[in-house]
Amino acid sequence: DSGVTQTPKHLITATGQRVTLRCSPRSGDLSVYWYQQSLDQGLQFLIQYYNGEERAKGNILERFSAQQFPDLHSELNLSSLELGDSALYFCASSPRQGSTEAFFGQGTRLTVV
Amino acid sequence: GNSVTQMEGPVTLSEEAFLTINCTYTATGYPSLFWYVQYPGEGLQLLLKATKADDKGSNKGFEATYRKETTSFHLEKGSVQVSDSAVYFCALSDTGGSYIPTFGRGTSLIVHP
Repeated sequence: DSGVTQTPKHLITATGQRVTLRCSPRSGDLSVYWYQQSLDQGLQFLIQYYNGEERAKGNILERFSAQQFPDLHSELNLSSLELGDSALYFCASSPRQGSTEAFFGQGTRLTVV
Repeated sequence: GNSVTQMEGPVTLSEEAFLTINCTYTATGYPSLFWYVQYPGEGLQLLLKATKADDKGSNKGFEATYRKETTSFHLEKGSVQVSDSAVYFCALSDTGGSYIPTFGRGTSLIVHP
């Protein structure tokens, strides 16, 4: 158990809809990273927050947004969903601002139908 | 920009065989290098890391040496077990500027009894 909790574990929704994925980092970790994992794109970094502030942006679509709340949990919002958004979405946390060394949650599997 | 290239899988071995998974990288700064492992249905777990040239990371019988001259960080294990079957990701964190973590596409390892 990494200590990072993601909910829900599975999500099935229709095209055009909006969903919110939630991540609770390890106790004391200030950094939260979001990743998308798909068969054709591999593991893609989406966005990072550190202590409530956005710190780095990767290949995140404009239809996607995220935030980190004062209690350090984070949410990833995906809107106007398309079939191609079906993927595993991982959250990871780290005590430091800039590091790939992080602890990953078990992921949310999103299926868009 | 930064990039990580891993050998394509799947790599299929018999139990007790020697394992090598190749990884090379491109980075503008002075990266730290990592290997992560993903078991079926789970998130990524840090396997080992190296933070400077000639460092050797090791864990659970796996080893990798940070080779700056060849920009490589190959993963090795002397005798694999069926339980090592998983997907292995090479990654880097460039602490010289960009904090965007970079992962390879992953290499699937299948070990037969």
